[in-house]
Parts: sequence; structure tokens; C-alpha cells
Amino acid sequence: QSALTQPRSVSGSPGQSVTISCTGARSDFGPFEFVSWYQQHPGKAPKLIIYDVSQRPSRVPDRFSGSKSGNTASLTISGLQTEDEAEYFCCVGTFTTYVFGGGTMVTVL
Amino acid sequence: QVQLVESGGGVVQPGGSLRLSCETSGFTFSSNVMHWVRQAPGKGLEWVALIRYDGRKESYADSVKGRFTISRDNSNNMVFLQMSSLRPDDTAVYYCVKGTYVQIYLDYWGQGTMVTVSA
Repeated sequence: QSALTQPRSVSGSPGQSVTISCTGARSDFGPFEFVSWYQQHPGKAPKLIIYDVSQRPSRVPDRFSGSKSGNTASLTISGLQTEDEAEYFCCVGTFTTYVFGGGTMVTVL
Repeated sequence: QVQLVESGGGVVQPGGSLRLSCETSGFTFSSNVMHWVRQAPGKGLEWVALIRYDGRKESYADSVKGRFTISRDNSNNMVFLQMSSLRPDDTAVYYCVKGTYVQIYLDYWGQGTMVTVSA
């Protein structure tokens, strides 16, 4: 069982928005500052989509956004597209260790 | 463009050893932290190890500490993972991952190499 808790699955129709949460024990992760998110399609390597809670690499579409409140980080996909169907992992890091959430499967209905 | 190509995976018996290699290109290798992350079949991601840009500091997950060693060759833009005392629960796809200079995230990932520990 991961120290970061994510819902196992979320779903939405094309064009809708979905939000994935990632909750960690406050004592384990301090200010929850270095949160990143990764997208993984079946059989493929993960890809970075959000870092530092809410920063998006230029190569990532702007329908992906990140935020946090206390010790819960969130990834929102706005205007859901069929290619967004994938597994999403949150991650909290320090200079010496990284911990991943268990992953959330996003299904586009 | 950034490229990371892992090699060295295969089937090994419990207690055995294996050395993974990762060839990189498309970025200034000596300025970036490098990582190994693994994924057991049908499971989630598990961070394994990191090595600082100059090779002077390494960190490991508790699950591999004392058994795995990460190293790098900045002259040839390569990173390695020496794995020993392998156990069946080390069976996974191992990804080589580019970090950054000082920021904390996993920037680019290789396609992975499969390691199977089985008698």
C-alpha cells in the first residue's frame, strides 16, 4: 500500500473535466511542495505532465493542470480527450527520495 | 531530442546479479541527476535510486539498499544499475530516468528493460 493515496479509477465523457486526488500523511511529506504527475499509456513508459505542484512542461497540453490544498494534491484534466485515457501517478520527492501514489486509471466514456 | 536507451535486462536466478546500462543523448548529461524507477508486472511505479550530476551522492529505496548500486560515466553519458542478491520481488521493468540539476521531478523516461528473477 502506497503512502500516497489515489482513487483507483475515474471516468468522464469527452469534453468533460475530471480531477484526480493524491493524499499523503502530513508527517511523511512535509509541506507537500515537490509534487509531480506522470501519465502512462498501456505498454508505454510514463511521461511527466506536471511538476512543482502546478507547473506544466511546454510540451504538455494546457488542459492538464495541478493544484494542492494542505496535504492533498490534485490533477485536473479539462476538456477530456480520448487520448487522455491512461493511468496517472502522483509523486512526491525530496533531494534523496521519491514516493509514488498507487495510480489512477482514467477512462473516457 | 532527449533519448534514454536501457539494456542489460533478462532472466536471472534468485541470488544472482545483473547490470543494467542506460545510454543517453540529447541533453547535457553531466548537469543532471539520473534515476532508476521500476514497475512490477501489473503494478505501480517504485523509485529505486538516484545519483547526483557529479556522481558524488547516491540515494536508494529501502527495498534495494545494500543490494543495488547506481553509478554513472559522465564521459560517455551513461548510467548503470548493478543489482545483486536478486529476489523474485525485484522482477520488474526498470526505467532509466533523467532528472534535473536541482529541481525535484522525473523529466524524461526511457522505454525500460525487463528483469525477471526466477528459478
